[in-house]
Amino acid sequence: GENVEQHPSTLSVQEGDSAVIKCTYSDSASNYFPWYKQELGKGPQLIIDIRSNVGEKKDQRIAVTLNKTAKHFSLHITETQPEDSAVYFCAATQRTGNQFYFGTGTSLTVIP
Amino acid sequence: KAGVTQTPRYLIKTRGQQVTLSCSPISGHRSVSWYQQTPGQGLQFLFEYFSETQRNKGNFPGRFSGRQFSNSRSEMNVSTLELGDSALYLCASSFTFRQGEQFFGPGTRLTVL
Repeated sequence: GENVEQHPSTLSVQEGDSAVIKCTYSDSASNYFPWYKQELGKGPQLIIDIRSNVGEKKDQRIAVTLNKTAKHFSLHITETQPEDSAVYFCAATQRTGNQFYFGTGTSLTVIP
Repeated sequence: KAGVTQTPRYLIKTRGQQVTLSCSPISGHRSVSWYQQTPGQGLQFLFEYFSETQRNKGNFPGRFSGRQFSNSRSEMNVSTLELGDSALYLCASSFTFRQGEQFFGPGTRLTVL
């Protein structure tokens, strides 16, 4: 099956700085890569996603890049704000259904 | 549009008991997936239902089962509870069963004593 690795496990940045979280996947059949943000006591919230036919996608301060050859994808958050503090998960899924394989999560802390 | 709802939000059970969790997907969504979230194992896929049929199943013992009703609402059941079943159980809904965007509910926190 698919194996998704995520780094770093914890990340602290100063408010206004950028944050980058990286994930690698093992199965070349995976072609949908969502990112989720989970705040304490809540379920994961979809923040951005990318499909394998696209190399980069941006939504305001958030961007995701995908390198299919190297099998890795990254989340970029610019101009971080304290409300960006949360646990972020990457995921990968194959064509056969909605079984998502999740990374182990990155706890992001934005220091005011 | 209302989001995914899960009931109950919290449950405390003892070993050997069974439990049923409920999930109502977003209106119009027909696919429901269940995940178990623990600090040690992270988010792990349990199973997915679409049109009342189980489409996919993760690597969990047969004590974990589920079903989906004609209105797309889903339930999961865990029988003979073990201490290791303590976790946050998350339900996610999507429009289709093939790579639709998945939207998660707030989860049910199950504690097994």
